[in-house]
Amino acid sequence: QQQVKQSPQSLIVQKGGISIINCAYENTAFDYFPWYQQFPGKGPALLIAIRPDVSEKKEGRFTISFNKSAKQFSLHIMDSQPGDSATYFCAARKNTGTASKLTFGTGTRLQVTL
Amino acid sequence: DVKVTQSSRYLVKRTGEKVFLECVQDMDHENMFWYRQDPGLGLRLIYFSYDVKMKEKGDIPEGYSVSREKKERFSLILESASTNQTSMYLCASGDSFPLSGELFFGEGSRLTVL
Repeated sequence: QQQVKQSPQSLIVQKGGISIINCAYENTAFDYFPWYQQFPGKGPALLIAIRPDVSEKKEGRFTISFNKSAKQFSLHIMDSQPGDSATYFCAARKNTGTASKLTFGTGTRLQVTL
Repeated sequence: DVKVTQSSRYLVKRTGEKVFLECVQDMDHENMFWYRQDPGLGLRLIYFSYDVKMKEKGDIPEGYSVSREKKERFSLILESASTNQTSMYLCASGDSFPLSGELFFGEGSRLTVL
């Protein structure tokens, strides 16, 4: 059972274009929604995150849009660059009382072409 | 810089062997996690630990155990490796809730079971 559904599985975007990755969740107990970026041979690293009381968060070329009523959130990469080519994971956090657990989506492999 | 170090980047083991994957973090984090990463499945939580000698099962604990004797060290143990445990294993650490939702990952240990 996939608690966080992510699409698309892969994405090819031209340099300068907009990359959009979507995620949906079911569990309303999730309280924090980060996006992680992973380059080949490396572990994932936090890119940007949002809390459910905010509808949008922007950091440079990266923006998270959050729709609480629809239980959906998305990552937009503006002016996509070849250096953005990586795998992106959305995630959702739930506090279990003993620790916070992150549940990850299945990942999107982004390729930005010249 | 936060550092999470996984002792082995690549391992090849035979079916039935006992496998130890070691992870050390240098940020004095309370929480440590073991995930496995498989194409199309994303990152799935195997086990996590919220304190020394304390552990909880994640979403896919079958076939695995863990050990946390010191705060900075978290080990994943495969008692009898099987071919379906061939995967990339990622260790992560993070602060206790509600300080931060950020996880810091190691570079991964790629295990092949023949």
